[in-house]
Amino acid sequence: SQTIHQWPATLVQPVGSPLSLECTVEGTSNPNLYWYRQAAGRGLQLLFYSVGIGQISSEVPQNLSASRPQDRQFILSSKKLLLSDSGFYLCAWGPPSEQYFGPGTRLTVT
Amino acid sequence: GQQLNQSPQSMFIQEGEDVSMNCTSSSIFNTWLWYKQDPGEGPVLLIALYKAGELTSNGRLTAQFGITRKDSFLNISASIPSDVGIYFCAGPSSNTGKLIFGQGTTLQVKP
Repeated sequence: SQTIHQWPATLVQPVGSPLSLECTVEGTSNPNLYWYRQAAGRGLQLLFYSVGIGQISSEVPQNLSASRPQDRQFILSSKKLLLSDSGFYLCAWGPPSEQYFGPGTRLTVT
Repeated sequence: GQQLNQSPQSMFIQEGEDVSMNCTSSSIFNTWLWYKQDPGEGPVLLIALYKAGELTSNGRLTAQFGITRKDSFLNISASIPSDVGIYFCAGPSSNTGKLIFGQGTTLQVKP
């Protein structure tokens, strides 16, 4: 069966520091992968999606970037965090019509 | 763009009561998904609906794909405290194929 992992579970970072969040999927090959952000426990905003290694599409202009160095690994990064980057970050995999989410990373920028 | 509107925004009910929530759109959707998100965790897919008029159950949960393809309903029977969470509806955009999510219905159950 397929499983999806996110690391770390929680993170507190100062403004201006770099960020790297990792997502890995097991039990499937060449999955579509997605990064979402959720603010205040409601509303999922799609940030990035990837249909294959090195292929990244950005949904909204922002301070973040994504990379897919391996088939089942998806990384969310920032060079300099802003206060507004705080939130709950969710990784998902699956076809566009049916996605499965990871456990999430709670990011607090101070 | 396409939007999904969920109602009610929140519900506070007594344990044992039945719950009904819905999701509507001005656009047609060919798939409806219902997710539940427990506090501090990622959303979990509860039910997927693929055909207009389809009625699907998952334990105490029942969801229906509206006949007009512009709405969907989720019912929970005999609620229990672990039903607490946020329930999201979602569907793929006919323009982009990407999933569109409603804003969620927050359910609280009083023991």
